Amino acid sequence: GQQLNQSPQSMFIQEGEDVSMNCTSSSIFNTWLWYKQDPGEGPVLLIALYKAGELTSNGRLTAQFGITRKDSFLNISASIPSDVGIYFCAGQRKLQGAQKLVFGQGTRLTINP
Amino acid sequence: NAGVTQTPKFHILKIGQSMTLQCTQDMNHNYMYWYRQDPGMGLKLIYYSVGAGITDKGEVPNGYNVSRSTTEDFPLRLELAAPSQTSVYFCASDEWGTEAFFGQGTRLTVV
Repeated sequence: GQQLNQSPQSMFIQEGEDVSMNCTSSSIFNTWLWYKQDPGEGPVLLIALYKAGELTSNGRLTAQFGITRKDSFLNISASIPSDVGIYFCAGQRKLQGAQKLVFGQGTRLTINP
Repeated sequence: NAGVTQTPKFHILKIGQSMTLQCTQDMNHNYMYWYRQDPGMGLKLIYYSVGAGITDKGEVPNGYNVSRSTTEDFPLRLELAAPSQTSVYFCASDEWGTEAFFGQGTRLTVV
């Protein structure tokens, strides 16, 4: 099936540090999405990107849709304890006649106060 | 506006039993999905639906069945449960297959 390679798999940082994670694929996607999952909860959409090269911010979060349409990154600036969780990238493309999302494996973020 | 609602939140099932995981959404979304998430892993698509009466298989459909008789509901049925089906199941919906909204999940243990 379609694969997204998300890295790093886990991060251990100090509060206040900046965070960067990315997703790459051998396939082209039409949309890139970034989700955050808190323990025991479903993923929640953080940022959606619709155009190659697009750079979008949501508070301390910034994400970019790669110009080749095969990658995306998410940056978190000045991390705080509530940023802890698992971050997933997802790429959307048309597969077998329907729009589908393909998810990365996730980046687990741990913050030391 | 409740969004995507899943029931039950937790369930323990014996090997060989069957059960239905319920999912309903009140956003009038066309697309609905079922994913499973194994510990420490990402989300794998089980089945999806692009509208009432239309369903199709995802990456890991074996051992599951779905139906979509209404826009709102998309139940997932497990037949002859196996330990390999122990997982957290997420239902999601979106309007045009672009931004999925997730339910809170059903944590299922098969013993």
